[in-house]
Amino acid sequence: AQTVTQSQPEMSVQEAETVTLSCTYDTSESDYYLFWYKQPPSRQMILVIRQEAYKQQNATENRFSVNFQKAAKSFSLKISDSQLGDAAMYFCASSSGNTPLVFGKGTRLSVIA
Amino acid sequence: DAGVTQSPTHLIKTRGQQVTLRCSPKSGHDTVSWYQQALGQGPQFIFQYYEEEERQRGNFPDRFSGHQFPNYSSELNVNALLLGDSALYLCASSRWRGRTGELFFGEGSRLTVL
Repeated sequence: AQTVTQSQPEMSVQEAETVTLSCTYDTSESDYYLFWYKQPPSRQMILVIRQEAYKQQNATENRFSVNFQKAAKSFSLKISDSQLGDAAMYFCASSSGNTPLVFGKGTRLSVIA
Repeated sequence: DAGVTQSPTHLIKTRGQQVTLRCSPKSGHDTVSWYQQALGQGPQFIFQYYEEEERQRGNFPDRFSGHQFPNYSSELNVNALLLGDSALYLCASSRWRGRTGELFFGEGSRLTVL
């Protein structure tokens, strides 16, 4: 079974600053994938970034990047140059490929102007 | 290009009633998954449909059932509603042979059970 833990229920960041959201996971699979999804107040979940566990290079998508520490089973999300539109719930999730996504409880990010 | 659409947006039911939620997947997608998101929690997987068959199921009782139609749209049915069924129900679509975990979500159906 896979588990995903997000230990920060809430975080805040000043506009234009950088923030890091934490996530740890556990899985017995050797082949798995990790994700960060964003859920704005409109409620539609959006995929932010995706990481294949077999890739050592950390994934990046514009202002979003991850720090994937496979041995520590850690998968944090860094948001650079934070914008007001980044305010949302962020969910860390994992999948072993043929299993459905398992989500953490989420971190609510506030962006302060 | 229409994304994932769900209906109704909000609904209120009483204990013991039955509810049907509907989902139309994103154009080009053939797989539909349903998730339940309780207040303050992450989404929990209910089941997944592909080729009109339930392919995977999460830890939900038989009161939760579904269907997929030839046009790939899907329904989620919940019978004998309990107070604990109050939640946001999310539909997500994908390609069966697409990239793992790349789901497109609808805005959800907010169910309140009184």
